[in-house]
Amino acid sequence: DQQVKQNSPSLSVQEGRISILNCDYTNSMFDYFLWYKKYPAEGPTFLISISSIKDKNEDGRFTVFLNKSAKHLSLHIVPSQPGDSAVYFCAASVTGNQFYFGTGTSLTVIP
Amino acid sequence: GAGVSQTPSNKVTEKGKYVELRCDPISGHTALYWYRQSLGQGPEFLIYFQGTGAADDSGLPNDRFFAVRPEGSVSTLKIQRTERGDSAVYLCASSLGTGDGEKLFFGSGTQLSVL
Repeated sequence: DQQVKQNSPSLSVQEGRISILNCDYTNSMFDYFLWYKKYPAEGPTFLISISSIKDKNEDGRFTVFLNKSAKHLSLHIVPSQPGDSAVYFCAASVTGNQFYFGTGTSLTVIP
Repeated sequence: GAGVSQTPSNKVTEKGKYVELRCDPISGHTALYWYRQSLGQGPEFLIYFQGTGAADDSGLPNDRFFAVRPEGSVSTLKIQRTERGDSAVYLCASSLGTGDGEKLFFGSGTQLSVL
């Protein structure tokens, strides 16, 4: 059973526009969420995180929004750049336990 | 090195053989995780160590898979009697292990191919 879901396998966005990547989860016990970015032949690299006590966290061009009632989080990238083209994974955990990952969304930013 | 190191980067083996995959975590990180990633899928949890002990091994698919971390640093994932379905990228990650606001730092993975 997939506890973390990313229903869009791919997304294409024009350079300079906003990219919105979505993630849904089923376990209401999750209290910590992360986004990772992955380039081919490399391991995932940490991008941004959010605790369940917040509904928004911002770091430069990246903002993560958390809607606990809908069990939904999203990653906004603005403005999108060609170097942002990668696979993005969301992950969730109950603090102190294992992390569950979604299946990923492949983002292509078109110059 | 500064990051998580995994060796080998690629491993090709024949069905039925035994393989060992090694992970060298970031110095000072007490938590170590093994994940498996198949094509088109997200990382799938296998096992999590806190120090030398396996805190959660519920993701190991069957008893052919075993992992150790004898000194609380380097870890080895061992797969016996490999099957073609074991082919995947095996990812190792480490974290400080403080439990709060953890970030996993991943290695580049070992691509295992079972022929």
